[in-house]
Amino acid sequence: GAGVSQSPSNKVTEKGKDVELRCDPISGHTALYWYRQSLGQGLEFLIYFQGNSAPDKSGLPSDRFSAERTGGSVSTLTIQRTQQEDSAVYLCASSLWENEQFFGPGTRLTVL
Amino acid sequence: QKEVEQNSGPLSVPEGAIASLNCTYSDRGSQSFFWYRQYSGKSPELIMFIYSNGDKEDGRFTAQLNKASQYVSLLIRDSQPSDSATYLCATITVISGGGADGLTFGKGTHLIIQP
Repeated sequence: GAGVSQSPSNKVTEKGKDVELRCDPISGHTALYWYRQSLGQGLEFLIYFQGNSAPDKSGLPSDRFSAERTGGSVSTLTIQRTQQEDSAVYLCASSLWENEQFFGPGTRLTVL
Repeated sequence: QKEVEQNSGPLSVPEGAIASLNCTYSDRGSQSFFWYRQYSGKSPELIMFIYSNGDKEDGRFTAQLNKASQYVSLLIRDSQPSDSATYLCATITVISGGGADGLTFGKGTHLIIQP
């Protein structure tokens, strides 16, 4: 069956521009998670959705980051006024309720 | 602050031997434990999960959990060169009311299987 998909796979942008990253979870998975992995760093949890609601947004690094999920399926992570320190691989995962999480291939974001 | 600690390695193991990967965690509220494998340039791939104290076996992999010692391990039997990767330990805390926090990951152990 289809796994988690993310688009774009790569994104290069200029400092100050806004970017939108998309995640399409495994069909039927109710929970969706966003993480980021910076070069040489561990995976950092950003935000979690159960259905369309995000109970805890405290993991988002700054108010330039926002995320939404509509229809209990696709989610978008938006970064406004990108900075060089935002460069990382952004990973999305989904799970059935709060069980095992399966990751998508990630979006590599490079901010010049 | 929830922390998951792993030895970064590299851990070098000869082909056919048992690779032993270890992980400790700080949050006693952690309820579920996961091992992910990550090849260079790829996303993490779930290998094993364990919720209860003791051992759980799946093919060549055995996960071990000791909640009293806050310790999780992964054993890989009959190690193969294709097992060479970074192994990430992760924990999750289920919040009362049915929610869950995100996974807290260690920084991973780089495993090298020598042919």
